[in-house]
Amino acid sequence: GENVEQHPSTLSVQEGDSAVIKCTYSDSASNYFPWYKQELGKRPQLIIDIRSNVGEKKDQRIAVTLNKTAKHFSLHITETQPEDSAVYFCAVFDQGGKLIFGQGTELSVKP
Amino acid sequence: DADVTQTPRNRITKTGKRIMLECSQTKGHDRMYWYRQDPGLGLQLIYYSFDVKDINKGEISDGYSVSRQAQAKFSLSLESAIPNQTALYFCATSVPGQGNQETQYFGPGTRLLVL
Repeated sequence: GENVEQHPSTLSVQEGDSAVIKCTYSDSASNYFPWYKQELGKRPQLIIDIRSNVGEKKDQRIAVTLNKTAKHFSLHITETQPEDSAVYFCAVFDQGGKLIFGQGTELSVKP
Repeated sequence: DADVTQTPRNRITKTGKRIMLECSQTKGHDRMYWYRQDPGLGLQLIYYSFDVKDINKGEISDGYSVSRQAQAKFSLSLESAIPNQTALYFCATSVPGQGNQETQYFGPGTRLLVL
């Protein structure tokens, strides 16, 4: 089955800096890769996603890149703000029709 | 998202007790999921259901069972709770999208402590 690895597990940046979170997956047939954000004490919510026919997607300060050959994808947050502090999960839509989540990255943005 | 609700929100129970966590949704989605969240382990899938007559085991189904009573309701049971089932449990729903692109909508979570 699909295996998803996410790094780093924790990330601390200064406000205004960029943050990058990376995920690798095992099944080359996977074709949908969402990212979820979970603020402290709240439920995970989708923030951005990418399909395998696209190499990069941007939405304001966040972007996701996909390298299908290497089977990895990354979340990029630019000009980080304190409200970006949260746990971020990558996920891969597997052949069974369900999402397999990474282990999560706890991002801390220091003012 | 108020369309997906979970009860109870917090529960303390003792080892060996049977406990049921309930999930209801008003989104009209066919697909429902139960996840467990532990620090450093992400969201692990326990069971999922693609429609009322469909139940599937996820990554960590041992010690759990589910019931899909209706399109809107999906319950998770711990037949005999043990301390390592202490965790945060999330229910989620989704509807199939074009090209596998589908968003999952999570409930607020149930925090369970097994003593």
